[in-house]
Amino acid sequence: AQSVTQPDIHITVSEGASLELRCNYSYGATPYLFWYVQSPGQGLQLLLKYFSGDTLVQGIKGFEAEFKRSQSSFNLRKPSVHWSDAAEYFCAVGGDDKIIFGKGTRLHILP
Amino acid sequence: DVKVTQSSRYLVKRTGEKVFLECVQDMDHENMFWYRQDPGLGLRLIYFSYDVKMKEKGDIPEGYSVSREKKERFSLILESASTNQTSMYLCASSLVQGDHYGYTFGSGTRLTVV
Repeated sequence: AQSVTQPDIHITVSEGASLELRCNYSYGATPYLFWYVQSPGQGLQLLLKYFSGDTLVQGIKGFEAEFKRSQSSFNLRKPSVHWSDAAEYFCAVGGDDKIIFGKGTRLHILP
Repeated sequence: DVKVTQSSRYLVKRTGEKVFLECVQDMDHENMFWYRQDPGLGLRLIYFSYDVKMKEKGDIPEGYSVSREKKERFSLILESASTNQTSMYLCASSLVQGDHYGYTFGSGTRLTVV
């Protein structure tokens, strides 16, 4: 069955620290992979996506993610977080059918 | 940029009312989706549509229906609103099925049923 797991419900980091949000997926074929961000009271905004080629993908707002097929993972990283990065982050996987979303990781930033 | 517009940001309705949530996209996307989002449950797919006048049930269709009379508009209908339908509702669209560009989301409608 297709699924997406974000093992961390909440993550707290200090401003300026590095960040890694974990995502594991289960998908029968080569997946398309996405990370979305949701600021409070807003819809979801696409941060980055992977569907082929270089397994390290760059996104908006200084985020990057690495696709590791052997680990079925697509972790999101940022070298130095800003207070404005506080939000909820969703990993998603799709293919020829509709996209499946993880349950999200809420990121808190300490000043 | 593609824009997905949900007509209301906040709605308060009474139990038993018929409620319409409207969603319009402006870039000729084939596919449209309705999700509800609740704390700890993530996004759950209610209904989706791959074409005009076409609809498919998602994971939690009970208590909802949809209408897609025109390509750009996808309406979610709560036939008789209940308090357990209090939630954030998100509309999304994508160009085609299997679209690797992902979905574009609206800003959401927070519905409270009292």
